[in-house]
Amino acid sequence: SQKIEQNSEALNIQEGKTATLTCNYTNYSPAYLQWYRQDPGRGPVFLLLIRENEKEKRKERLKVTFDTTLKQSLFHITASQPADSATYLCALARPSYGNNRLAFGKGNQVVVIP
Amino acid sequence: GAVVSQHPSWVICKSGTSVKIECRSLDFQATTMFWYRQFPKQSLMLMATSNEGSKATYEQGVEKDKFLINHASLTLSTLTVTSAHPEDSSFYICSAVDGLAGESAYEQYFGPGTRLTVT
Repeated sequence: SQKIEQNSEALNIQEGKTATLTCNYTNYSPAYLQWYRQDPGRGPVFLLLIRENEKEKRKERLKVTFDTTLKQSLFHITASQPADSATYLCALARPSYGNNRLAFGKGNQVVVIP
Repeated sequence: GAVVSQHPSWVICKSGTSVKIECRSLDFQATTMFWYRQFPKQSLMLMATSNEGSKATYEQGVEKDKFLINHASLTLSTLTVTSAHPEDSSFYICSAVDGLAGESAYEQYFGPGTRLTVT
C-alpha cells in the first residue's frame, strides 16, 4: 500500500540550531514533492516544491533535498527561531485527471526552544 | 496575494441536518479547488477535486451524495455535508490552485479551515 511517513515525535530544538525533518514514502512515483507548514487550527501554508529531477532546493533559511532512489526527502530549517515552531507536512503530487492531487503525511511537529 | 477564505470558520449542527461550507479565492481565479478533511493528529485526507463548471471528482471511499461539491465560478466552491452525523465532525479545509500562475500553478493555497461539530 502507499505510505508517506513522517516522524510522529515532536522535534525539540534549541534556537539557532538546524532542524532536520524526514519524509519517507513507499509505492509512490511522485512528479514532485512539497513541504507545507501548518499552525494549530489553521490551513497549511506552502513552503517549497522540489521536482523529481532536482536534488536540492533552497528558500531563505529552508532547504529541501529529494532522493528518488531512497524515496526520501529531507527538510532543513537553519538558524531556527521560536517562530518556526509549527507542524511541517510533506506532500507528494499525484498528477491525474489533469489536476495535481496531493497526498499528505501526518506532519512532524517542531518546537524551537528559546 | 493568493488568499483563500472559508466560511464559516466553525459550525455546530444537529445530527440529520445539512451544512454548507464556502471556499473563496479572493485575489485570483481558481481553476481547481480541492476539499480535504483532517482529524486530530492525522494527515489531511483529500476528499474531492473540483474544477469550475464541471462535476467534482471524488476520492475512493468518499460518498458523493453525502458530500456535495459545487464549483460554480472561478472564485467559489461549496461543500455541503448532507444529513450530517457525529462521525462527520472534523476539520474541513479547502485549497485552490491558480491555473494561470505558470510555475506557481503547482502550489495549493489553503483556506483557514472550518471546524464542524455534529451533535
